[in-house]
Amino acid sequence: QQPVQSPQAVILREGEDAVINCSSSKALYSVHWYRQKHGEAPVFLMILLKGGEQKGHEKISASFNEKKQQSSLYLTASQLSYSGTYFCGTGSPNAGNNRKLIWGLGTSLAVNP
Amino acid sequence: NAGVTQTPKFQVLKTGQSMTLQCAQDMNHNSMYWYRQDPGMGLRLIYYSASEGTTDKGEVPNGYNVSRLNKREFSLRLESAAPSQTSVYFCASSLSGVYSYEQYFGPGTRLTVT
Repeated sequence: QQPVQSPQAVILREGEDAVINCSSSKALYSVHWYRQKHGEAPVFLMILLKGGEQKGHEKISASFNEKKQQSSLYLTASQLSYSGTYFCGTGSPNAGNNRKLIWGLGTSLAVNP
Repeated sequence: NAGVTQTPKFQVLKTGQSMTLQCAQDMNHNSMYWYRQDPGMGLRLIYYSASEGTTDKGEVPNGYNVSRLNKREFSLRLESAAPSQTSVYFCASSLSGVYSYEQYFGPGTRLTVT
């Protein structure tokens, strides 16, 4: 039920690109992406909704493949400030009145100079 | 705007003690949430309140109770703390519709139960 994130960890040099994936075994209505820096609260990045609507950060892009039940977060020309742990949260359309996000375990991203 | 505030920031309890974690938001959000975060476990929903006057259990509600005092405030109570409740607790809020709107998180409460 919990979405699976991959990779678990990635190390980049400043300016390199990275892709973080989030896969679910359940049909999805929405995928949320958040970034958390060490010792801080998660901060919103993106929401991707079934049907193609997206909300969020201008400099970060993401995709949502409804048929494959997965989402990918694309970090291009990475900056030192991109370092942190990235979490996806997924919402299922079959939850009825019990709607809540189920969160992945996170992907740790370190960007080095 | 302060956003989402939580008190206290740190707390140490002995097994069996009780305490209440306070959360308040000033963004006029309808929905509020309590999460716990343990190393390697990601975020797990304890309770949530879709709107004022309603509360529902999340994934890990055992050992906790909540009160949605009004639209702004959502408190989490540990009646008899256990070492397994050592964790970082985050409160969050959002506009109505958990799937469609971003959640704003408070700074967290770091709780240690000895």
